Amino acid sequence: GAGVSQSPSNKVTEKGKDVELRCDPISGHTALYWYRQSLGQGLEFLIYFQGNSAPDKSGLPSDRFSAERTGGSVSTLTIQRTQQEDSAVYLCASSFLGGVGTDTQYFGPGTRLTVL
Amino acid sequence: AQSVTQPDIHITVSEGASLELRCNYSYGATPYLFWYVQSPGQGLQLLLKYFSGDTLVQGIKGFEAEFKRSQSSFNLRKPSVHWSDAAEYFCAVGGYQKVTFGIGTKLQVIP
Repeated sequence: GAGVSQSPSNKVTEKGKDVELRCDPISGHTALYWYRQSLGQGLEFLIYFQGNSAPDKSGLPSDRFSAERTGGSVSTLTIQRTQQEDSAVYLCASSFLGGVGTDTQYFGPGTRLTVL
Repeated sequence: AQSVTQPDIHITVSEGASLELRCNYSYGATPYLFWYVQSPGQGLQLLLKYFSGDTLVQGIKGFEAEFKRSQSSFNLRKPSVHWSDAAEYFCAVGGYQKVTFGIGTKLQVIP
C-alpha cells in the first residue's frame, strides 16, 4: 500500500479484556516497530522486527504484551488482561533497511486504546 | 546511554514569525539525528535527518536544522511559520540498534 496502515483506529475495552492491534507495513519494508505514545510521555519503544530474525522485545513493559509478525509482513500486537494504564496511542512504523537507529521510519496513524 | 531532551513542551508563535525548537542529545559517538512532525490524528512524518556532511540540513516544508557537536544540539528552525505548521515535533537520536525519541514540543500558531 501507499503507507503504513493500522487497525482499528480506535479501541475501547473493559479492564481485564484482551485486545489485538494490527499493523500493515509498507510493502517491501523489512523492519517493523511498535511504539506506545502516552500523554506527555513521548514515544516508548515496545518491540522491533527485522526480517526473519528474532524480535527485539526489550521494550515490552510486561508479559501481558506480545507481538508477532506473520510472513514478514503484517504484525499484531496483543495486550492481555488490559489495565487502565495501558490506555495510550499505539504506533506502528516500518523501514526499508532495518537499521533501527539509522533508518527513516514511516509511521502509521496509530490505534487509540482506551481501557475503562 | 543515549537520550534526547526537548526542553520546551509547548511553544506559541505568531503566523509569519520565525521558529526555533530546541533539541539536545546525549550519545557516545556520531549520532543519527532526526526531526519528525505529528499533525493531529496522524502518524509521525520525517522532516529531516542528519548523519554526516554539512551540519545544516534542509528538510521538507521549509524546515532546517543545524547540528552543533560542541553543544550536543540539533535545533529545528523555520524562518516564517504558517498556520499549518501547528503540530507536535519530535527530535530523535539514533545509533546502533536503538533510536530514542524526545517527549515532543507542541507548537501552537496564532494569527
